[in-house]
Amino acid sequence: DAGVIQSPRHEVTEMGQEVTLRCKPISGHNSLFWYRQTMMRGLELLIYFNNNVPIDDSGMPEDRFSAKMPNASFSTLKIQPSEPRDSAVYFCASRMQTRSEQFFGPGTRLTVL
Amino acid sequence: AQSVTQPDIHITVSEGASLELRCNYSYGATPYLFWYVQSPGQGLQLLLKYFSGDTLVQGIKGFEAEFKRSQSSFNLRKPSVHWSDAAEYFCAVAPNRDDKIIFGKGTRLHILP
Repeated sequence: DAGVIQSPRHEVTEMGQEVTLRCKPISGHNSLFWYRQTMMRGLELLIYFNNNVPIDDSGMPEDRFSAKMPNASFSTLKIQPSEPRDSAVYFCASRMQTRSEQFFGPGTRLTVL
Repeated sequence: AQSVTQPDIHITVSEGASLELRCNYSYGATPYLFWYVQSPGQGLQLLLKYFSGDTLVQGIKGFEAEFKRSQSSFNLRKPSVHWSDAAEYFCAVAPNRDDKIIFGKGTRLHILP
């Protein structure tokens, strides 16, 4: 079975540009999580969805960040406008309803110049 | 609030030596506990988890962890490390199966040849 799929794997953009990160969870999983990882702050939960509904977005740093999950097989994390301090690795993870563990994607390394 | 403490930021051991990575959590009841491993440039992979039953949990790659309620600890062990075990290890906690997971700051493991 395919794991969590994220695209792109690497993104380099200039300050002020819009960035869209994409995630396809594992089929049959009903929870989806977006994380950000930096050296300074470690792994931070940004937002998570259950059955396509946002449950907790308290980790979203600013209004510049938004996330959507239009269906069970796709989610996006958008940053508009992007800033250099947004440079990080962004992970998506998914979870099956009957299980506690999350499965992580390979991440998207974002660099904002 | 729940929290997870990994007191060692870096650990260095020789190949073939035994390993113990420490993890302490702060939570009133018995939570769900996890250990994840992250190799360079990769996402997080689940090593093992605990939520009830036998307090000694076996995981993948020859790892095990022991839950000690009296010490609020969930330390990860391996009897003999291999060079391929060099990675970052994250301890994590969730209050229940359906809640979000709180990750520790991680311990980076270095292996000496």
